[in-house]
Amino acid sequence: GAVVSQHPSWVICKSGTSVKIECRSLDFQATTMFWYRQFPKQSLMLMATSNEGSKATYEQGVEKDKFLINHASLTLSTLTVTSAHPEDSSFYICSARDASSLAKNIQYFGAGTRLSVL
Amino acid sequence: DQQVKQNSPSLSVQEGRISILNCDYTNSMFDYFLWYKKYPAEGPTFLISISSIKDKNEDGRFTVFLNKSAKHLSLHIVPSQPGDSAVYFCAARAGGSQGNLIFGKGTKLSVKP
Repeated sequence: GAVVSQHPSWVICKSGTSVKIECRSLDFQATTMFWYRQFPKQSLMLMATSNEGSKATYEQGVEKDKFLINHASLTLSTLTVTSAHPEDSSFYICSARDASSLAKNIQYFGAGTRLSVL
Repeated sequence: DQQVKQNSPSLSVQEGRISILNCDYTNSMFDYFLWYKKYPAEGPTFLISISSIKDKNEDGRFTVFLNKSAKHLSLHIVPSQPGDSAVYFCAARAGGSQGNLIFGKGTKLSVKP
């Protein structure tokens, strides 16, 4: 299956600093990428959807100035958590949708990034 | 309002037996359903999917059944293996090929040797 690489897998940072998470589709072009957040024992909550070359669409309640998303190419999207605080500590997962499999709408997921803000 | 519900947070099955994971949904506009498997500290892995025009899709040990009238789908794993132990998420899509996926909360499956 298609591979989505997410980096870093774990990051610990001090409160007030910014953290960038990268998501790459390795063997396919992803016109659309998604960023999710997962709280313990909860489902995946969609934060935002990004299409290559355009601004991301954020879900209700997600601060776009807090979670900056850039989808500059068909294989790379980045999520930057700005001025991180302890309440931002969570598991962040990206996924990418293969442009050639729209009919199946299969999303391929990265391995996730555990963010711990001290 | 939860549109996709997985009412069993956990399920324990003996190796070799059948595992049945259930999922209910409320939105009649959902037209595509997917199951993902997730190990701890990893991203979900796509398992199997089904279109709303079908009622069954089979792939090896995995079969998904869809009952549209009941707004219910289930994932059957037979025979279950210890390596199947993971959290299984049900997801549904509305809005055609551009629609986002709505995930259930997941069911943790434990397959005991």
